[in-house]
Amino acid sequence: EIVLTQSPGTLSLSPGERATLSCRASQSVSSSYLTWYQQKPGQAPRLLIHGASSRATGIPDRFSGSGSGTDFTLTISRLEPEDFAVYYCQQYGSSLFTFGPGTKVDIK
Amino acid sequence: QVQLQQSGPGLVKPSQTLSLTCAISGDSVSSNSAAWNWIRQSPSRGLEWLGRTYYRSKWYSDYAVSVKSRITINPDTSKNQFSLQLNSVTPEDTAVYYCARFYGAAADYWGQGTLVTVSS
Repeated sequence: EIVLTQSPGTLSLSPGERATLSCRASQSVSSSYLTWYQQKPGQAPRLLIHGASSRATGIPDRFSGSGSGTDFTLTISRLEPEDFAVYYCQQYGSSLFTFGPGTKVDIK
Repeated sequence: QVQLQQSGPGLVKPSQTLSLTCAISGDSVSSNSAAWNWIRQSPSRGLEWLGRTYYRSKWYSDYAVSVKSRITINPDTSKNQFSLQLNSVTPEDTAVYYCARFYGAAADYWGQGTLVTVSS
């Protein structure tokens, strides 16, 4: 089973700043199978990025994804107040899905 | 617009069976391009994928290793829904349970979540 590690655990930033979130896999992951979600308290996760770099429908272009192999990155170019949330990466391989532990982006 | 509506009890006794249902609107459980999944979330285990069912000329199911001996996910084509059964539950199974549609490797639609507590 592929294990995903996310860093940092918490990122404290101000609105307007750039956020860079990391997702590292214990084995190589196909870029087609790396996904990012955003979750706010009391809500289900929301799809942000699929295929490592493709924004889901309706996702603003301040969100971008990149990476390959074992290292993937989610970047929020300029944080808006509604972007403070927890972000999860997820991978698919060998008919199994696994999630990372999440990165919390909170207001500094 | 796809909508997933979850139903089922919020309290289950230890050793009994947890049963949840996810009713689908705006898509079909028999879709040849979607898969229908159950995911749970708890403070101790985070987001945990439990399993899926999908139709590709015939029905398939895949399950997480952690629950494989205790889980069944079934489609119900007559009601356009799918269900989760988790047997022999313990307090460790206490979590918010979500159903979700996966298109490819990404969950693009989620149910509202059901908090299931395992307690006597």
